[in-house]
Amino acid sequence: QVQLLESGGGVVLPGRSLRLSCAASGITFRTHVTHWVRQAPGKGLEWVASIWYEGSNKFYAASVKGRFSISRDDFASTMYLQMSSLTANDTALYYCAISGSFWTSFDSWGQGALVTVSS
Amino acid sequence: QSALTQPASVSGSPGQSLTISCTGTSSDVGGYDDVSWYQQHPGKAPKLLISGVFNRPSGISNRFSGSKSDNTASLTISGLQAEDEADYYCSSCTSSNTLVFGTGTRVTVL
Repeated sequence: QVQLLESGGGVVLPGRSLRLSCAASGITFRTHVTHWVRQAPGKGLEWVASIWYEGSNKFYAASVKGRFSISRDDFASTMYLQMSSLTANDTALYYCAISGSFWTSFDSWGQGALVTVSS
Repeated sequence: QSALTQPASVSGSPGQSLTISCTGTSSDVGGYDDVSWYQQHPGKAPKLLISGVFNRPSGISNRFSGSKSDNTASLTISGLQAEDEADYYCSSCTSSNTLVFGTGTRVTVL
């Protein structure tokens, strides 16, 4: 059974940085595309970023491009999201997700890491 | 990239069928057979229901079915049950190699 466990969330000042981690188990991590998706309080889902096998391709939402960086360590079955220049608009529950047959679908999800940007 | 358009809410009685639409453009929904659907209960992580327009993952009830016509995808829930009350989201890839979600639909079982 696939398990994804996010960590690294917390309260951060505007303009500061934060790094989220997502540890995977129960899956051959290196053969799957992985993603970050966020959900602001009371709002809908927003795709943030995706990274392909061996980090060969990385894609970002316009709202985070240039500020966020996605990476992965296939040996450790772990994915990361480095977030910088954070604003209140980045306050959200951040989910990591992993794809299956379709790289565009989010087959398994973690429980989320809450990031609150506030002074 | 704008969010795909979904109705804010739909409702139905137990046993009925209901359909949720997801409208995009030729640059996303209409251009690729890559539409997925997710169910999210309050306080829970989303759950994949449909991928690749109509494919159900193992363990997903056949009461859930997906389709697509031009720039609009649809999720149909047959034999509506109380446990189906949740938020539903569609997603699609885009011509810019990004992914986009729908605005979300709240399903209420009367």
